[in-house]
Amino acid sequence: QVQLVESGGGVVQPGRSLRLSCVVSGFTFSSYGIHWVRQAPGKGLEWVALIWYGNSDDYYADSVKGRFIISRDNSKNTVYLEMNTLRAEDTAVYYCARVLGTYMDVWGKGTTVIVSS
Amino acid sequence: AIQLTQSPSSLSASVGDRVTITCRASQGIASALAWYQQKPGNAPKLLIYDASNLQSGVPSRFSGSGSDKDFTLTISSLQPEDFATYYCQQFDSYPVAFGQGTRLDIK
Repeated sequence: QVQLVESGGGVVQPGRSLRLSCVVSGFTFSSYGIHWVRQAPGKGLEWVALIWYGNSDDYYADSVKGRFIISRDNSKNTVYLEMNTLRAEDTAVYYCARVLGTYMDVWGKGTTVIVSS
Repeated sequence: AIQLTQSPSSLSASVGDRVTITCRASQGIASALAWYQQKPGNAPKLLIYDASNLQSGVPSRFSGSGSDKDFTLTISSLQPEDFATYYCQQFDSYPVAFGQGTRLDIK
């Protein structure tokens, strides 16, 4: 079945870096875009980034632009989110989700990132 | 950037009630709106896409309507499993945006 599994979360100090992974299965990965969406504790959903299939065009929320980089490796069915210069406000559960049209039809269970000294 | 405003922010209702949640966009987005349900500790689940299309496997008591700036999610007869938080989301233009959420509690 269609599945997305996030990993790579953990506790990291402010200013440091962390790389999240989203491994997909059950569909032709190279034909789909993938979003990252985050949710701070007790807060709503916040879109973070998107990478398209094909030319791998990428887009970012203003809050992470210049600090986060989204990439994909079609040979590994994996999307990455490289997070640099982390701040306390980046603390959240990070979800990856498959793009279908204008919406997100399948989501992973999420990985937790805590930025704290 | 397009902003989405949901109302109400929270709502108390009883099993069997009809409930409507609204989502207003700061500019027109045609029908590029989706609705998600999220229960505590779980990932969001797609309910409605393109404003009014029911995602496969979602009960028919859920429905969506609207276009341009004003959208609604309706639950025709609340069931115990429907108590959750609901989000609208637009992808008419970048950046992708979510509404702030509507928490639906048991009265």
